[in-house]
Amino acid sequence: DTEVTQTPKHLVMGMTNKKSLKCEQHMGHRAMYWYKQKAKKPPELMFVYSYEKLSINESVPSRFSPECPNSSLLNLHLHALQPEDSALYLCASSRMALGQNEAFFGQGTRLTVV
Amino acid sequence: SQQGEEDPQALSIQEGENATMNCSYKTSINNLQWYRQNSGRGLVHLILIRSNEREKHSGRLRVTLDTSKKSSSLLITASRAADTASYFCATDATQGAQKLVFGQGTRLTINP
Repeated sequence: DTEVTQTPKHLVMGMTNKKSLKCEQHMGHRAMYWYKQKAKKPPELMFVYSYEKLSINESVPSRFSPECPNSSLLNLHLHALQPEDSALYLCASSRMALGQNEAFFGQGTRLTVV
Repeated sequence: SQQGEEDPQALSIQEGENATMNCSYKTSINNLQWYRQNSGRGLVHLILIRSNEREKHSGRLRVTLDTSKKSSSLLITASRAADTASYFCATDATQGAQKLVFGQGTRLTINP
């Protein structure tokens, strides 16, 4: 199984809503990532989890809250988002071995904040 | 920032022709990777080249890396309509869990 599964595929939420994005992988990868991608732009790193611990936070606003319940799951909790947060949110995973770090990406969640 | 710059931003060629995309970056790296993205969905890993490698092949793909010039190129030979996608280079300068920094991407269109 070389898949990273993200749910939901599409999400529309109001600025006062609380929602969560979910990501799952069963490749035994111990590094998991959240990226944000705006239209016609490259993905931008948000968070990195290594062995279920948050290792990188790229100065992401606190309205985005990541969680890694176990080595296979990664969540992104959303609260009080702004319309400019509308984007494609991509989850990825990789092995921790140096030089073998190809990332496997999910299909993303297309988020629209209204 | 070690963010890569890619050129061209857009490339349109006929099916069967070769496509070459270039990537430049700013800092020392452990490896450089190329990814493909169709229609704004997930990225698919194509090839990884380590900093001590100069060239790598995978099927119709050929990647070169010149660390002295901090640049890389991706060549797709005998292009097909299915190769139409956006292509991104991504650099990794970290140990263990990686912090991939993506270039701006090249939008490749293969005309039948």
